[in-house]
Amino acid sequence: EVQLVESGGGLVQPGRSLRLSCAASGFNFDDYAMHWVRQPPGKGLEWVSSISWNSGSIGYADSVKGRFTISRDYAKKSLYLQMNSLRTEDTAMYYCVKDIDSSGYVLQYWGQGTLVTVSS
Amino acid sequence: QSALTQPASVSGSLGQSITISCTGSSSDVGANNYVSWYQQHPGKAPKLIIYDVSNRPSGVSHRFAGSKSGNTASLTISGLQGEDEADYYCNSYRLNTVVFGGGTKLAVL
Repeated sequence: EVQLVESGGGLVQPGRSLRLSCAASGFNFDDYAMHWVRQPPGKGLEWVSSISWNSGSIGYADSVKGRFTISRDYAKKSLYLQMNSLRTEDTAMYYCVKDIDSSGYVLQYWGQGTLVTVSS
Repeated sequence: QSALTQPASVSGSLGQSITISCTGSSSDVGANNYVSWYQQHPGKAPKLIIYDVSNRPSGVSHRFAGSKSGNTASLTISGLQGEDEADYYCNSYRLNTVVFGGGTKLAVL
């Protein structure tokens, strides 16, 4: 069974940093692209970032480019999102998502999410 | 403003069929077959129900069907059941990014 468990969310002040983690299990982590998707409270889904199976292809939404960094650790079967210079508009539930393929854009399995609140 | 346009809400009676549209452009929906649909119940994570325009993942009911014409994709749910009441999102691929629709709230009457 595929499991994606996010952690690292919490309350943070504007301008500060936070690092999200996602522990993956139940599939061969090395073979699949991974994504971060966020959802502000009461609003719709917004894609944040993607990383291909071999970390050779990485993409970011314009809203986070230059501030967020996605990475993955194959030995730890974990996905990360380093978030710097946080803004109030970054407040959202952040989901870790497994792709259906090695470098595609089908968001097959979703974690339960970790809530990030940016507020002074 | 979302990259893909969906109706904010749709409704249907038990047993009926409804269709949710997802309108994009020649740069996303119209450019490839990477259109997916997701179902999200309140307080839950989204669930993939359709991918590559019309493919159903294992375990998803045959009552869910996807299609596409030009720059518009559609999700049809037949034989509406109470458990279908949820938010539905489409997404597609555009120039190394993923774009979502704004979501459609389905009410089952």
